[in-house]
Amino acid sequence: RKEVEQDPGPFNVPEGATVAFNCTYSNSASQSFFWYRQDCRKEPKLLMSVYSSGNEDGRFTAQLNRASQYISLLIRDSKLSDSATYLCVAGADGLTFGKGTHLIIQP
Amino acid sequence: SAVISQKPSRDICQRGTSLTIQCQVDSQVTMMFWYRQQPGQSLTLIATANQGSEATYESGFVIDKFPISRPNLTFSTLTVSNMSPEDSSIYLCSVEKGSYGYTFGSGTRLTVV
Repeated sequence: RKEVEQDPGPFNVPEGATVAFNCTYSNSASQSFFWYRQDCRKEPKLLMSVYSSGNEDGRFTAQLNRASQYISLLIRDSKLSDSATYLCVAGADGLTFGKGTHLIIQP
Repeated sequence: SAVISQKPSRDICQRGTSLTIQCQVDSQVTMMFWYRQQPGQSLTLIATANQGSEATYESGFVIDKFPISRPNLTFSTLTVSNMSPEDSSIYLCSVEKGSYGYTFGSGTRLTVV
């Protein structure tokens, strides 16, 4: 069975802080990995792809550990607008979504 | 990235009726995907729609309940048939556009009463 597990949170974090969350995936055949952001009552939107070498996009850093089958997302200098649900996604023959981690940035 | 127009954005339907959801993409795509997101749950793939062939359904989803059309490379419909309250959910279509990853339509929020 293909599963992606995430801590649902919520993570309550003060503005400006750094926050990190992980997810694990069960399908060792997964080849593509993503973090999506979903705002309340909106569709998911691609935040970033995740590569084996790790990748950074501004304040966001994603890491992939294939041996342990986990993916991480680090957000630095968090903003109020970062409040959302973050979906971890692993792809093999189709995408498997985690249930999401709820992040609340507090002023 | 692709732009997807999905409609209706929401609907409230009587049990036993059917609703057809449409997705229009601004460019040609080989595969379109239909997902369901129930409250507090992750996205679950219903089926993959290829142009010119029958859709491929995931375990737990059948064509009689969720018939799909894919008449061309830019358009697809999903019908939720003989609805019950358990079908209340958000339904999303999606396409893959290379390095842009998967793009989603804005979703259809369905409530069955």
